[in-house]
Formats: sequence, structure tokens, C-alpha cells
Amino acid sequence: TQLLEQSPQFLSIQEGENLTVYCNSSSVFSSLQWYRQEPGEGPVLLVTVVTGGEVKKLKRLTFQFGDARKDSSLHITAAQTGDTGLYLCAGAYNFNKFYFGSGTKLNVKP
Amino acid sequence: ETGVTQSPTHLIKTRGQQVTLRCSSQSGHNTVSWYQQALGQGPQFIFQYYREEENGRGNFPPRFSGLQFPNYSSELNVNALELDDSALYLCASSLLLGPNLFGNTIYFGEGSWLTVV
Repeated sequence: TQLLEQSPQFLSIQEGENLTVYCNSSSVFSSLQWYRQEPGEGPVLLVTVVTGGEVKKLKRLTFQFGDARKDSSLHITAAQTGDTGLYLCAGAYNFNKFYFGSGTKLNVKP
Repeated sequence: ETGVTQSPTHLIKTRGQQVTLRCSSQSGHNTVSWYQQALGQGPQFIFQYYREEENGRGNFPPRFSGLQFPNYSSELNVNALELDDSALYLCASSLLLGPNLFGNTIYFGEGSWLTVV
């Protein structure tokens, strides 16, 4: 059972386009993390957000934590082929124990 | 390169058998969490070990058990394997400042692919 719902499940876009991925739950998190996972590898942490309403930027990636700490979004500006991968959000119910969403599979075409 | 090493990388077992998966945490980390990732799904939390004690468990049956050693490496044991246990098993290493005190970044290993036939 996934406690976190991610949407869309699949996204295929052209290089240069913008996109937003959403992560939603009915539960409140102490923190939320975003990961990127490539085939055959473990997830790699992109960002941790802790405060409701927090916005963090990582180059072309913008992460937002909802005011109520139940949802989050990841926005990518001018996507590149290197952004292709599975994007996972993970919410912490008890600090360091995380529950993951089922992921958004992003394919950026050249 | 995260400094988290898992072994074996791939293995095939028969239904009913037992398996042990191993994880070496990053140097300086005291906490290891185990996750199961089925094909096309996000990782599911199995349990966490903090300083050799279990520090939280997800919704997995008792046939999933673990250990953490004094050097903070860890093992995941699964008894009476079922076909649905086929998955990627991920180990995540981190430094906790206390059993419920968020420490630093979490690093994942590349996982152990288990196939049960």
C-alpha cells in the first residue's frame, strides 16, 4: 500500500519543456524527500524539505512543500535528456523512517 | 558512489528457502534502513536498525528479520521465501543523532536483486 500518491505515473516530454510532478497524501509529514532513481541503481537523494511552505531550488529543479506538510511538488525547467529517470517522493512519519510513493517515470526525448 | 555496499547484487532462490542479504554502511553512519522495491513500485520500508537495535518496522511479516553489527553493517534475513518476495532490496545508511532525531543525508546502496522461483 502506497501512502503517498504521485502523479503523473509516466511523463514523456521533449527536451526544453517544463514539467511538474506531484506528491500527495492525507497524512502530515515531519519532512519530505525527493529522489531520482536510474535503472539498476539505488535512489539518489535530491532534496529534503522540512518546513510547511518551504521552497528549495537545485539548478533547474524547484521543490515545494505544502503549507500543511501533506503534499509536495517538483518542477523542472527546460528539461534535459539527463533528467530522465524515476522520481520518487518519500515522507517521514517519524523522522528517519520514510514511506515512498510509487514514483513518476520521466522520459525526456532529444 | 555512495559508500554503501550491498551483496550479493543478484541471486535466485527457490520458494521456501531462506536468504541473507548484506549491507555495509557508509563510514561514520550508525543507522541502516532496509527497503523492498517491487518492479514498477516505490520502495517499501521494512525496518531500521540504530546502534544495533531495531528502531521501527514497516508492514512486513516476522519472517523478515535483521541484524546490525558493532561496525554498523547489517543483514536482512528472509525465511520461507515466497514468489512475491522477488524484488530489489535496498539498504540505506544514515547518521542519527538519537533514535528519533533526524541526522544527515541518507545514502542508498545499489541494491540486491532477489528472484524467487
